[in-house]
Amino acid sequence: SQQGEEDPQALSIQEGENATMNCSYKTSINNLQWYRQNSGRGLVHLILIRSNEREKHSGRLRVTLDTSKKSSSLLITASRAADTASYFCATDYTGGFKTIFGAGTRLFVKA
Amino acid sequence: SQTIHQWPATLVQPVGSPLSLECTVEGTSNPNLYWYRQAAGRGLQLLFYSVGIGQISSEVPQNLSASRPQDRQFILSSKKLLLSDSGFYLCAWREVANTGELFFGEGSRLTVL
Repeated sequence: SQQGEEDPQALSIQEGENATMNCSYKTSINNLQWYRQNSGRGLVHLILIRSNEREKHSGRLRVTLDTSKKSSSLLITASRAADTASYFCATDYTGGFKTIFGAGTRLFVKA
Repeated sequence: SQTIHQWPATLVQPVGSPLSLECTVEGTSNPNLYWYRQAAGRGLQLLFYSVGIGQISSEVPQNLSASRPQDRQFILSSKKLLLSDSGFYLCAWREVANTGELFFGEGSRLTVL
C-alpha cells in the first residue's frame, strides 16, 4: 500500500501548548500536503510542501519535510480549542494523479 | 470562484438497493475529480479518480463504479449495496495543471442496513 502512516493517532493538549504530528510515506513524492477535518465535514487544505523544500510556515503552522527519511511533521504553535480536529497528511507521488492520505491524527485541545 | 457541491448529504439504504451519489464543480474547466471513502475514525481511501470526461481510474476492486458524463460532474454508483459500503464519501477536485491542493465537498454519509 502507498498509504502513509501518521503518529500519534490521537493527541490531547492544553490550550496554548504546541502540537506536533508526524507523517511517514513510502515512495518518491512531488509534494506533501496537510489537511484538517472537523468532525463530519469535508477536508480543508492547510499547507503544501514540495519535495525540494525542507520547511514551510503559514501562520501558526510549521511543516518540515525530510525526503531522506520519507517523513514530515506538522507543528501547530500556541494551540487553541478551535484547533480541535483531525489532521491528515497526503502525498502526490511522482508520475501520478493520485493523492494518498494517511490515517490521520485526532487532536483535542482543552480550554 | 470555484465551488463543489455533493449530494445527498445523508442516505440510509437497505442492503441490495442501488446507490447514486453526485458531485458537481463550478467555476473551473477540466478538473481532476476524485471519490474517497472514509470509515468511521479512519483515513481516506481513494476509490476513483478521473482526469477527463469518460476517463475513470479505479483504485480498489469493489461493487462501486464511477462515471463522468460531463466535464464537471462525477457520479458514484452501485447496483446492489453491501453492508460494508457504509461510510462517509467525499468528492474532491483540483486543477489539471496544478498538482497540489484538493478541494473537498462536504461529504455524503451512507448507512447501509
